[in-house]
Amino acid sequence: GAVVSQHPSWVICKSGTSVKIECRSLDFQATTMFWYRQFPKQSLMLMATSNEGSKATYEQGVEKDKFLINHASLTLSTLTVTSAHPEDSSFYICSARREGRGTGELFFGEGSRLTVL
Amino acid sequence: DAKTTQPTSMDCAEGRAANLPCNHSTISGNEYVYWYRQIHSQGPQYIIHGLKNNETNEMASLIITEDRKSSTLILPHATLRDTAVYYCIVRGTGANNLFFGTGTRLTVIP
Repeated sequence: GAVVSQHPSWVICKSGTSVKIECRSLDFQATTMFWYRQFPKQSLMLMATSNEGSKATYEQGVEKDKFLINHASLTLSTLTVTSAHPEDSSFYICSARREGRGTGELFFGEGSRLTVL
Repeated sequence: DAKTTQPTSMDCAEGRAANLPCNHSTISGNEYVYWYRQIHSQGPQYIIHGLKNNETNEMASLIITEDRKSSTLILPHATLRDTAVYYCIVRGTGANNLFFGTGTRLTVIP
């Protein structure tokens, strides 16, 4: 199946610093990628939709100035958590859409666990 | 996108078939049924999807009722590695993303 890779898989940072997470589609091009956040024992919550060559679309309640998204190429989207605080500690997951049968398929990265001290 | 209802948790004996139900009574004609699973601390893994016909692949079978208001994911011979949270999602042709519910936590017991 299609592969989507995230890096880093885990990161620990100090409060107030910024952290960048990369999401790459390794064997297909993706004009659209999605960023999710998942807190312990909860389901995935969509944060934003990343569109290649244009601004990301954020879900209600997600601060666009805090979670910067860049989708500069058809295979790479980045999420930067700016001025991170302990409440931003979470599991961040990206997905990429591959065009195909029906609605197209979404493939997910392995996730990136952020811990802010 | 239509809402789905799944049992919170299920157990299955190793080697037996695991049958995971999903209700989607408000599904519309152009919405597909997708199944994903998430093993602890990993990203969701695509399993299978279908519109109205039953589907089978190397991982599982998807049985959709004739009225499309419910479906069942079948793992024919469950292994311990199938322990995960299984998400049933309905998604229309115009929808890009997936909205995850709470899913079913399947525990495969030795």
